[in-house]
Amino acid sequence: QKEVEQNSGPLSVPEGAIASLNCTYSDRVSQSFFWYRQYSGKSPELIMSIYSNGDKEDGRFTAQLNKASQYVSLLIRDSQPSDSATYLCAVNSERQAGTALIFGKGTTLSVSS
Amino acid sequence: ETGVTQTPRHLVMGMTNKKSLKCEQHLGHNAMYWYKQSAKKPLELMFVYNFKEQTENNSVPSRFSPECPNSSHLFLHLHTLQPEDSALYLCASRSGAGGLSGNEQFFGPGTRLTVL
Repeated sequence: QKEVEQNSGPLSVPEGAIASLNCTYSDRVSQSFFWYRQYSGKSPELIMSIYSNGDKEDGRFTAQLNKASQYVSLLIRDSQPSDSATYLCAVNSERQAGTALIFGKGTTLSVSS
Repeated sequence: ETGVTQTPRHLVMGMTNKKSLKCEQHLGHNAMYWYKQSAKKPLELMFVYNFKEQTENNSVPSRFSPECPNSSHLFLHLHTLQPEDSALYLCASRSGAGGLSGNEQFFGPGTRLTVL
């Protein structure tokens, strides 16, 4: 069973701090990795995609990928109360007839002002 | 309309009712998905359609019946549901274009379903 593991949290950080969210996956052949943000009562919103080892930065967000360790992380710099949400890690899984995403349970982030 | 839309946004139904959920994507994508999201559980993949052909049924009970008349529309027909089927039902689409970015999935707003 291919799995994606995340610490469910909650992760609490003060406003302005760096929030670090982590994810591990079991399928060694996965090539696409995604972070989604989900506000309470809303649907998941894609915020970061990463496909190669190393760091990818987009504004206050940095995704990090280490395929050898099967590890993906998301750093949020200068955290704001509006960043309070559940963050879902997703990893592609190649099926016989196409591709699907496997999601972790999500990490709940709370940013206090 | 832009992105992925879903109707209705909220649905309350009895166990003997028949209802349908609708999803439409305006992104020109080739693949569409149904997911179920229950409290305290990861997103569960239900069905996958590529170019309107069903390519995956993830052991979903037959009381859920999907339909994909074309690449832009996806339906989920519901009948004789159980209270434990109450959840947020999410539709997503994927471009399927070449390259790894073709794996990105975009979600609709979801239908909050309550089965009494």
